[in-house]
Amino acid sequence: GAVVSQHPSRVICKSGTSVKIECRSLDFQATTMFWYRQFPKQSLMLMATSNEGSKATYEQGVEKDKFLINHASLTLSTLTVTSAHPEDSSFYICSASARGYIETQYFGPGTRLLVL
Amino acid sequence: QQQVKQSPQSLIVQKGGISIINCAYENTAFDYFPWYQQFPGKGPALLIAIRPDVSEKKEGRFTISFNKSAKQFSLHIMDSQPGDSATYFCAAWETSGSRLTFGEGTQLTVNP
Repeated sequence: GAVVSQHPSRVICKSGTSVKIECRSLDFQATTMFWYRQFPKQSLMLMATSNEGSKATYEQGVEKDKFLINHASLTLSTLTVTSAHPEDSSFYICSASARGYIETQYFGPGTRLLVL
Repeated sequence: QQQVKQSPQSLIVQKGGISIINCAYENTAFDYFPWYQQFPGKGPALLIAIRPDVSEKKEGRFTISFNKSAKQFSLHIMDSQPGDSATYFCAAWETSGSRLTFGEGTQLTVNP
C-alpha cells in the first residue's frame, strides 16, 4: 500500500513553454500533498504544501505564479511550471500523506525536467 | 540554515558490515524522525521512523537509535548488502510548521 505515482517520469521542453506534472495517490486518500525539488547530489527542498480543496502554501522564495499547484481531489495534485527556463531544470518529487498521518509522507518516483 | 545535520556525507562499508549514519538537530519542536532511502533517479522511500518518546526502533536490519537529550539520532544498517547502496536521508517533522526538514544525505556504498 501507500503508492504514489508521478507522470511524466521525464520531460524535455523548450524555454518559455509550460509543463504540467501529475502526482497521484493510488491506494489512499491524500489529504495533503507536498512538492519538492532536488538538484543533483543535493537534498530535497520543499516548494509547497497543498491540502485538498485549498490553495497551496508556498515556501519562502518559491514563486507561486511560476509554480502553479492544484490539489483538486483526494488523489491528484498537479504542478505546472509556467514559462519554464533552463534554470528550472531539476528533479521534481511529490509526496502524499493521509488524514491524521500528515507526518508520514510517501514519495512519488519523481519527474526529471530538462528545459532547453 | 540547516536544521538537521547529517554525517557522514559518504560511507563505504564491506558486505556484512554495519553502516551507521548520524543526524543532529536543534529544533526541539521536531516530533517525528523518519529515514528515507533513495536510489539514483528515484523518489525517496520511507525506511523507518521514530518518535522522541522512544529510544530505539528496529525493523529487520534497520535500527534507529534516538537520544532526545543530545538531540541526535542515528540509523544502523546491520549485515549491509550491496543492494543497500543508495543515498540515505534523515528528516525531522515539526507539527506546528507541518513540514519535513531533510538532512544533507549520505551516499552509502556497500562493497561485495
